[in-house]
Amino acid sequence: GQQLNQSPQSMFIQEGEDVSMNCTSSSIFNTWLWYKQDPGEGPVLLIALYKAGELTSNGRLTAQFGITRKDSFLNISASIPSDVGIYFCAGQGGWGAQKLVFGQGTRLTINP
Amino acid sequence: NAGVTQTPKFRILKIGQSMTLQCAQDMNHNYMYWYRQDPGMGLKLIYYSVGAGITDKGEVPNGYNVSRSTTEDFPLRLELAAPSQTSVYFCASTVGQEAYGYTFGSGTRLTVV
Repeated sequence: GQQLNQSPQSMFIQEGEDVSMNCTSSSIFNTWLWYKQDPGEGPVLLIALYKAGELTSNGRLTAQFGITRKDSFLNISASIPSDVGIYFCAGQGGWGAQKLVFGQGTRLTINP
Repeated sequence: NAGVTQTPKFRILKIGQSMTLQCAQDMNHNYMYWYRQDPGMGLKLIYYSVGAGITDKGEVPNGYNVSRSTTEDFPLRLELAAPSQTSVYFCASTVGQEAYGYTFGSGTRLTVV
């Protein structure tokens, strides 16, 4: 099946630092999505990207849809304690039923 | 709106037992999905449905069954539980017109011993 390679798998940073994570794929996607999962909860949508080259912000979060349509990155600026969690990228390839393929996740830990 | 509701939140099963994981959504979404999440892994699609009466297999369907008799409900059935089915199970739904992203339930943590 299709796979997304997400990196890094984990990050340990100081509060206030910027964070960057990315996803790559061997397949082309029509849509890239970034989710955050808090402990004991389901993933929550952060940002959706629909067009190659698109750069979208949501507060301190910025994500881009790669020009090749095979990659995406997520940046978090000036991290705060509530940013702790697992971040997932997901891709949708137009193969119907809005099925998504998910990356392995990036676990973010913040030292105050 | 309650969104997507999953029950139970936790369950321990013995090998060979059966159970049904419940999922209900109140957003009139056509598309519903079941994923499993193993430690350190992304979510893997088990089954999905594009409307009442229509279901199809995802990436990892073996050992599971689903039904979709109503738009609101999409239960997942485990007939003969195995240790390999120890995982966190997430139900999700979307309106189905564009990939605006799913609304997820809060998950069911299942342990098979």
